Amino acid sequence: DSGVTQTPKHLITATGQRVTLRCSPRSGDLSVYWYQQSLDQGLQFLIQYYNGEERAKGNILERFSAQQFPDLHSELNLSSLELGDSALYFCASSVEGGGISGANVLTFGAGSRLTVL
Amino acid sequence: DAKTTQPTSMDCAEGRAANLPCNHSTISGNEYVYWYRQIHSQGPQYIIHGLKNNETNEMASLIITEDRKSSTLILPHATLRDTAVYYCIVCGGNNNDMRFGAGTRLTVKP
Repeated sequence: DSGVTQTPKHLITATGQRVTLRCSPRSGDLSVYWYQQSLDQGLQFLIQYYNGEERAKGNILERFSAQQFPDLHSELNLSSLELGDSALYFCASSVEGGGISGANVLTFGAGSRLTVL
Repeated sequence: DAKTTQPTSMDCAEGRAANLPCNHSTISGNEYVYWYRQIHSQGPQYIIHGLKNNETNEMASLIITEDRKSSTLILPHATLRDTAVYYCIVCGGNNNDMRFGAGTRLTVKP
C-alpha cells in the first residue's frame, strides 16, 4: 500500500457518459498529479494541483476537468466519454517543496481502470 | 518534447547487474534525474533520484556523468521480479510536472 488511494479500481461505462475518479493523497502530501495510460502506451501527464491550486497542465482534453479540495483529495471528471478514453488513470502525490533537498518524489496509487463501451 | 532518451528494450540475465542508460543532454542546472519503474499495469514505483552526485539506495545505484548529460541506473543483482518498464525523468526547478517518456522495457531472463 503506497498510501495513495484511488477509487474506483474498475469502472465500466458507455460512450457519452460522465465519470468521476477520486484520489486521496498520501498523508502530508500537498500536490496531486493525474496521468492517463492507454493500452500499451506510456504515461501521459494530465494535470497537477498543489494545495488546491492548479500548478501545471499537460495533455488534458477539454472534456476532462479536475480539482483539488480543501482536504487535499482530488477528483478527475471525464465527460462525453469516447471509446478512446478507455485507459488506466493514475494519481500520484508528493510533498512538493517540503523536502530539504528540493527534489520532488512522486508516490503513485494503484490506478483506476476505465472501460468505455 | 521528450527531455530524455532511453533504449526501447533491454535483456538481462538473472543475478547479473542490469545497467540502464539514459541521455538527457539538455538538462539544466537545477533539474534532478529521477528513475521510476512500472511492473505490468501497476502504479509506477519510485526507485532513486540524483542531482550531481552518484546515489545508492536499497534498490539501485544511480551514476550521473560529470557533465550531467547522461546517467545510468544500476540494479546490482537483477531478479525476475525486476522485469518492468523503467522510466528516466528529468524534472526540477520551475518545472515540476513530471513527464514520463516511453521508458526502457527490461526483461530479466532465468
